[in-house]
Amino acid sequence: DAEITQSPRHKITETGRQVTLACHQTWNHNNMFWYRQDLGHGLRLIHYSYGVHDTNKGEVSDGYSVSRSNTEDLPLTLESAASSQTSVYFCASSSALEQFFGPGTRLTVL
Amino acid sequence: AQRVTQPEKLLSVFKGAPVELKCNYSYSGSPELFWYVQYSRQRLQLLLRHISRESIKGFTADLNKGETSFHLKKPFAQEEDSAMYYCALRPNTDKLIFGTGTRLQVFP
Repeated sequence: DAEITQSPRHKITETGRQVTLACHQTWNHNNMFWYRQDLGHGLRLIHYSYGVHDTNKGEVSDGYSVSRSNTEDLPLTLESAASSQTSVYFCASSSALEQFFGPGTRLTVL
Repeated sequence: AQRVTQPEKLLSVFKGAPVELKCNYSYSGSPELFWYVQYSRQRLQLLLRHISRESIKGFTADLNKGETSFHLKKPFAQEEDSAMYYCALRPNTDKLIFGTGTRLQVFP
């Protein structure tokens, strides 16, 4: 069955370190998204991609970057982790009808 | 501005009671609206989309363009309905704009 996976599922890092969160989907969807989930804010869009080599900034993109070298993967990089980036991160890919979400990565920045 | 508002952070009911989770949106075009649900420690999953006008797990949601609302309703809540519910708007792109979510607690 097609799916969308994220790794790691949990990550603790220190302020200032670079962190990369992986997202892999086997749906063969062109569209992929990264969100962060915070209490009181719901899900907010960080970056998104409509296909290979395409990336776009979302609502809360500062301090984050993505790259899309193939259809299956959209890694999210925190260039220099900050405590404000402690959150749960969800990756999603979409068909014409709906978005499918990964299991999430809980990131703690100390 | 495109926005989704879920005014209630928490909704607590007893099993068997009716449930209504409120969602209002702000969008000038023809909206596509969705309800997503997140059970404890699980990923978000689609519950309902307005265009299909279906009932899933006893939940229904009707789009009211006059009131710009897409409230989620269930006549008789079950304990297994306890979860986080997100209303989402899809404008004329593939992006989703989410509300802040409502946590539904159903007590036995």
